[in-house]
Amino acid sequence: AQSVTQPDARVTVSEGASLQLRCKYSYSGTPYLFWYVQYPRQGLQLLLKYYSGDPVVQGVNGFEAEFSKSNSSFHLRKASVHWSDSAVYFCVLSANSGGSNYKLTFGKGTLLTVTP
Amino acid sequence: NAGVIQTPRHKVTGKGQEATLWCEPISGHSAVFWYRQTIVQGLEFLTYFRNQAPIDDSGMPKERFSAQMPNQSHSTLKIQSTQPQDSAVYLCASSLVGGSYEQYFGPGTRLTVL
Repeated sequence: AQSVTQPDARVTVSEGASLQLRCKYSYSGTPYLFWYVQYPRQGLQLLLKYYSGDPVVQGVNGFEAEFSKSNSSFHLRKASVHWSDSAVYFCVLSANSGGSNYKLTFGKGTLLTVTP
Repeated sequence: NAGVIQTPRHKVTGKGQEATLWCEPISGHSAVFWYRQTIVQGLEFLTYFRNQAPIDDSGMPKERFSAQMPNQSHSTLKIQSTQPQDSAVYLCASSLVGGSYEQYFGPGTRLTVL
């Protein structure tokens, strides 16, 4: 069985500060990994994805994430946050093979609040 | 590209009434997914269509819930005899082909059952 853990339900940072949102996964192979963001009363928007290759992947709006197979992690980072980054961030996993590789497994999400 | 369209955005029903939720996938996407989002359970997979055919409905409650995809441009999720515990945000997503391509989500329909 696969699972995703986001250990921080809430994170508060000051505008202009750096950010790291943590994500740990459990999966027997090398998964496909995604970060999605959900703004209030909106659907989920894809920030970035990792399929293979360079473990550091770049996304939209200055976000990046680093995949670590040894640590089973896929942490999200941003060098300088803006107030508009306040939202809920989901770490998401899917299998990279097999008949159920369309199924997404979601973490519980991390609510990011950026203070002025 | 208008993205995934979901209608209505909000729906309020009385207990025991029927609710039908609509989803229009991104043009050219042949995979459609339905999810349910609640505070307690988070995001849960409900069902998946590929090329309009139902592939996996393992997340659907066995009673009262049904989903269809009569053509490539829309899918419906129907809940019969709605109950308060059905209150949630229902999200539709679409993707290319299926498999592990990234899924694009609609804004969701917030269903409130009184």
